[in-house]
Amino acid sequence: GAVVSQHPSWVICKSGTSVKIECRSLDFQATTMFWYRQFPKQSLMLMATSNEGSKATYEQGVEKDKFLINHASLTLSTLTVTSAHPEDSSFYICSAIGGKDQPQHFGDGTRLSIL
Amino acid sequence: GENVEQHPSTLSVQEGDSAVIKCTYSDSASNYFPWYKQELGKRPQLIIDIRSNVGEKKDQRIAVTLNKTAKHFSLHITETQPEDSAVYFCAASKGSGGYQKVTFGTGTKLQVIP
Repeated sequence: GAVVSQHPSWVICKSGTSVKIECRSLDFQATTMFWYRQFPKQSLMLMATSNEGSKATYEQGVEKDKFLINHASLTLSTLTVTSAHPEDSSFYICSAIGGKDQPQHFGDGTRLSIL
Repeated sequence: GENVEQHPSTLSVQEGDSAVIKCTYSDSASNYFPWYKQELGKRPQLIIDIRSNVGEKKDQRIAVTLNKTAKHFSLHITETQPEDSAVYFCAASKGSGGYQKVTFGTGTKLQVIP
């Protein structure tokens, strides 16, 4: 089945550090990748949608300069949290779809803790 | 934009009983409705989905129903087992040309009591 790999799974770093999270589709080409943020006991909140080779579409309220998304190829998208602060601590999950009307396949998520 | 409401937020059932989770959506253009199961600290996993041209779909102990007119859909789990305990999310999706924007419900924490 479709597999999405997300790395790293856990990051602890100091305030002010920039953190890059990778999302890879391992056995299919992802036409679209999504980045979500999930707070404890809450739902997945879509942050942005990225299509290969084009700029990401950010949801309202998400700072594009804070959360940089690069969709370099049909199998790789990265999210960089720039100058991270404690309020950016959260669980970040990516997902990918292989085509029109296809279900999303999720990565394992990245737990980000900013000290 | 799309708004998906999900109820109940928590649900406790005895092992062997059935569990029902209900969702409503606001955008009549939504045409794809997946359900995900998420265990603590893990990725959401697709358990069943239904498209707008179908009213009901079943996969072993899991079934989903869709009422397009009323814009609501439900997840039914029969003969629940302790391993069914998790958070379940419904979602509504629309789009074309390879882009599906998915809006998730708020989640239901299901606890199956042995």
